[in-house]
Amino acid sequence: GDSVTQMEGPVTLSEEAFLTINCTYTATGYPSLFWYVQYPGEGLQLLLKATKADDKGSNKGFEATYRKETTSFHLEKGSVQVSDSAVYFCALSDRGLTGGGNKLTFGTGTQLKVEL
Amino acid sequence: DVKVTQSSRYLVKRTGEKVFLECVQDMDHENMFWYRQDPGLGLRLIYFSYDVKMKEKGDIPEGYSVSREKKERFSLILESASTNQTSMYLCATKRPERTDTQYFGPGTRLTVL
Repeated sequence: GDSVTQMEGPVTLSEEAFLTINCTYTATGYPSLFWYVQYPGEGLQLLLKATKADDKGSNKGFEATYRKETTSFHLEKGSVQVSDSAVYFCALSDRGLTGGGNKLTFGTGTQLKVEL
Repeated sequence: DVKVTQSSRYLVKRTGEKVFLECVQDMDHENMFWYRQDPGLGLRLIYFSYDVKMKEKGDIPEGYSVSREKKERFSLILESASTNQTSMYLCATKRPERTDTQYFGPGTRLTVL
């Protein structure tokens, strides 16, 4: 079945450091790929997504490129801020369930802590 | 903006109690989902619904049931709560299109004593 593997945390960085959170996936066909972010005490919110190979998703300075050849979707940001401290989840959307309700398969999440 | 609300942010129940978690969305989305979130395990799908009165089991449906009598409301039911159901429960909603985003509620942290 589908699966998502992302690097374990916590990841601790100094403000303005470069961030990479690795994500690789296993899926049949051509899934859509997502990064969600969860700030303390809140639900998940979409950070960015890519729906086909070589697409680059970007938002709030974060970027990730859908690499089919390496089955990866690594999250990067050039200069992190304290406000980026959160848990980041990589996810993929399969081809479709009954009625078109696509299930998301999540990685285990990576906690990011950014310090001054 | 899509708004997904959950009935409680924090809930404490006793073993054996029947527990209802409610989720309401205001965007007329067809698909609704219930996940539980546990440290080290990420999010796991419990049940989903793609239309009123329709439901499908997810990856971990045991010990749970759901109800969707109206399009905007999706309820998760723990028939007889157990301590291993202590978790964060997240509701999500989306349109049927494959690439569409899932929108999440703020979550309910349930503790079963």
